[in-house]
Amino acid sequence: EIVLTQSPTTMAASPGEKITITCSASSSISSNYLHWYQQKPGFSPKLLIYRTSNLASGVPARFSGSGSGTSYSLTIGTMEAEDVATYYCQQGSSIPRTFGGGTKLEIK
Amino acid sequence: DVQLQESGPGLVKPSQTVSLTCTVTGISITTGNYRWSWIRQFPGNKLEWIGYIYYSGTITYNPSLTSRTTITRDTSKNQFFLEMNSLTAEDTATYYCAREDYGNFMDYWGQGTSVTVSS
Repeated sequence: EIVLTQSPTTMAASPGEKITITCSASSSISSNYLHWYQQKPGFSPKLLIYRTSNLASGVPARFSGSGSGTSYSLTIGTMEAEDVATYYCQQGSSIPRTFGGGTKLEIK
Repeated sequence: DVQLQESGPGLVKPSQTVSLTCTVTGISITTGNYRWSWIRQFPGNKLEWIGYIYYSGTITYNPSLTSRTTITRDTSKNQFFLEMNSLTAEDTATYYCAREDYGNFMDYWGQGTSVTVSS
């Protein structure tokens, strides 16, 4: 099983601040199979970025993703209040599918 | 538009079996290259993938759950189902159904159904 470790687990950012969340995999993953989700309180997870760096439909351009091998990251170029959520990475490289533990992003 | 909707009993007693239904609208579950998945989220927010049923009917389970999990479908109703037996309090979670795209990411999710295991 591929274990995904996210850091930090929680963070707070000011409006306009750039933030980066990392996702480290226990085994190398093709960049085609690393994805990110956003979950706002009371809602189901929503696809945010697929295949490392492709924005899902309707996702603002301030979001971006990068990485390869065992190290991936999600960046928000300028933090906005509506970005308050928990973010999860997920690997689709092997069975079982696994998710990172989540990064809870709050606003200062 | 693709939509998924879970339904289930809410409260289940320990050692019993839970049966959940996912009703899909906007696309046939036999449409090629999609996998229809079950995922659960525990209190504290950890996400665990349970398994999926492929458009062809092939089923794949999380090895950690395969002994007590069954996924089936009814193509005439465009529904797929999750049965999990021998429930304990550790199975208390919100259960989601989702569509997995051929890129192996979940692009559509249901709103989730809460399952509480308690006597």
